[in-house]
Amino acid sequence: QKEVEQDPGPLSVPEGAIVSLNCTYSNSAFQYFMWYRQYSRKGPELLMYTYSSGNKEDGRFTAQVDKSSKYISLFIRDSQPSDSATYLCASGSARQLTFGSGTQLTVLP
Amino acid sequence: DAGVIQSPRHEVTEMGQEVTLRCKPISGHNSLFWYRQTMMRGLELLIYFNNNVPIDDSGMPEDRFSAKMPNASFSTLKIQPSEPRDSAVYFCASSRGQGAGQPQHFGDGTRLSIL
Repeated sequence: QKEVEQDPGPLSVPEGAIVSLNCTYSNSAFQYFMWYRQYSRKGPELLMYTYSSGNKEDGRFTAQVDKSSKYISLFIRDSQPSDSATYLCASGSARQLTFGSGTQLTVLP
Repeated sequence: DAGVIQSPRHEVTEMGQEVTLRCKPISGHNSLFWYRQTMMRGLELLIYFNNNVPIDDSGMPEDRFSAKMPNASFSTLKIQPSEPRDSAVYFCASSRGQGAGQPQHFGDGTRLSIL
């Protein structure tokens, strides 16, 4: 079993839709949680960073961490075609960050 | 601020040749990470440095891979001899502070093809 599991998609939504991206992790010692966005032929770009449980909001993006169920989510409101990319979740400890396999998202105009 | 800079952006070479990938981290960042990304295995950590010292190299696939960080502004990842299965995108990332849990900032990668 991989330490961080993520549905690879692909996920296709119409412009303006609310997008929900999810990951699960298996190591209860994980305290750091991140979401990255990766455009084709570019490096991952940090979107959200959370330490421990809770919610964090930044513009149209909201990250949620539920440590009791080992579940992390990213919500994108009012999705735009420019949000089309691969989204990677990451969880870890001070020693190592483990990435999910990524979910490919397409927002249709 | 300049981001993480990697060179070359693309490298095509024949198997058996030595390959050297280069990385300049963001100024002021004291942790540096080398990752490899493939379709099959996703993004995998190869090695991580803190204050120029290798902290965790458990992800380095085998002795053909080596990494150095001679100073705070430069790191190399070397593959010798290279094999076709080494074909992947190699990313360098850097962060402030100690530990892998701090926000990491990635370069745009080196796309490596071994023929």
